[in-house]
This record gives sequence, structure tokens and C-alpha cells, in this order.
Amino acid sequence: AQTVTQSQPEMSVQEAETVTLSCTYDTSESDYYLFWYKQPPSRQMILVIRQEAYKQQNATENRFSVNFQKAAKSFSLKISDSQLGDAAMYFCAYRGFQGAQKLVFGQGTRLTINP
Amino acid sequence: DAGVIQSPRHEVTEMGQEVTLRCKPISGHNSLFWYRQTMMRGLELLIYFNNNVPIDDSGMPEDRFSAKMPNASFSTLKIQPSEPRDSAVYFCASSLGLATGELFFGEGSRLTVL
Repeated sequence: AQTVTQSQPEMSVQEAETVTLSCTYDTSESDYYLFWYKQPPSRQMILVIRQEAYKQQNATENRFSVNFQKAAKSFSLKISDSQLGDAAMYFCAYRGFQGAQKLVFGQGTRLTINP
Repeated sequence: DAGVIQSPRHEVTEMGQEVTLRCKPISGHNSLFWYRQTMMRGLELLIYFNNNVPIDDSGMPEDRFSAKMPNASFSTLKIQPSEPRDSAVYFCASSLGLATGELFFGEGSRLTVL
């Protein structure tokens, strides 16, 4: 079964600085999606960024970018120029192309932005 | 376009009562997922449907939980009888297969069982 591990329960960063959230996963599949979702206090799950495993180029979305290392099964999220609105729980998630195709989440990292 | 719609947003009930949570997926999406979120266990997949058919219900905790999807635009998650340990936020999500892989989530239903 696929598993996703986020080893940092909490992180904090100064406003305008850069922070990196870590994620590792375990799978035997070769094709899959990886995601970072954000959950602010409103509890709405919001997609931050998506990476297809067959793409070598790292995905970017404005201030958000990933470092995808397929061989190492690592998928970190970098947030540049952190803003107060970035404060939230961040979940790394995996979805395979085969089998159950369900979305498997990590435990989450709570990010605090210090003004 | 409307997103995934869940109701109720909040439900407080007493132990032993029946609880029904409702979900309307995004129109055209063919996969629907029910997740439960708690502090202790994080986000757990309870069950998911593809084209209205249950595909994987291995996450349903016990027989007290049941889920249905009578048509492409409606799903229910029922707990009968409810217990205090069922207190959680229940999320419904839908997706357009593997076109983009992304799941679109509703705002969740917060259930409190006293």
C-alpha cells in the first residue's frame, strides 16, 4: 500500500522569508500524481500544486514550487516570500494511476507565519 | 461553477442517534470520495465511488457506517447508531477520473456526538 510521510509536524517562518516543507512517499507504481493541499482555519481543502510523476520538470505556481525527486521518492514544497495568508496546515498527497486510485494523505505540517 | 456541496456544515447529536451527511459532487465528475478527519488519525478515506459504484469501502470503520450513491449527483454517508468517537469532520470530494488527478473538496461537515 502507498504511504505518505511528512516528518515536520510544525514549521514556522518569518514573513517574506522562504520555507520548505518535506514529504516522502512509498510506492511501487511508476505513474502517479503528487499534490500539496492547504487547509486554513476555515478547514476548506485547497489545492496548492500538482506534479505528474512522468514529468521531470518541477511544478511551480507563483510563489509555490516543488522539488520532486522520483528516485528518492521525495516531494518537498517551497514557499517563497511567505505571507500571513499562507498560515495553514499543509498536506502532501499521493494518487496512483492503477488500483484504487484513491488519494493518500500525509499527516500534515502546521505552518505558522511570524510577522 | 458550483463546487462540491455538503450538508449539514455542523451537526450536534446525542449518542445512539442516526446521522446522515449529504454530498453533491461537481457536475460531470465521475468519482466521489468520503474522508474523515480527526486530530488523532488525520485524513482517512472511508469509501469511494466510481460511476456511482462503490469501489473501495475498506476504510469504513464498522457496520454502523454506510454510504450510498443513488445517482451521479448525490451521495449520503449514514452513521447508525452514532457514538462519541465518531465525532470528526467528514469531507466529500469529487474528481474527473484521472484527467488531472485532483480531488475537489467540499467544506466538510463537522459532527459532534455527545
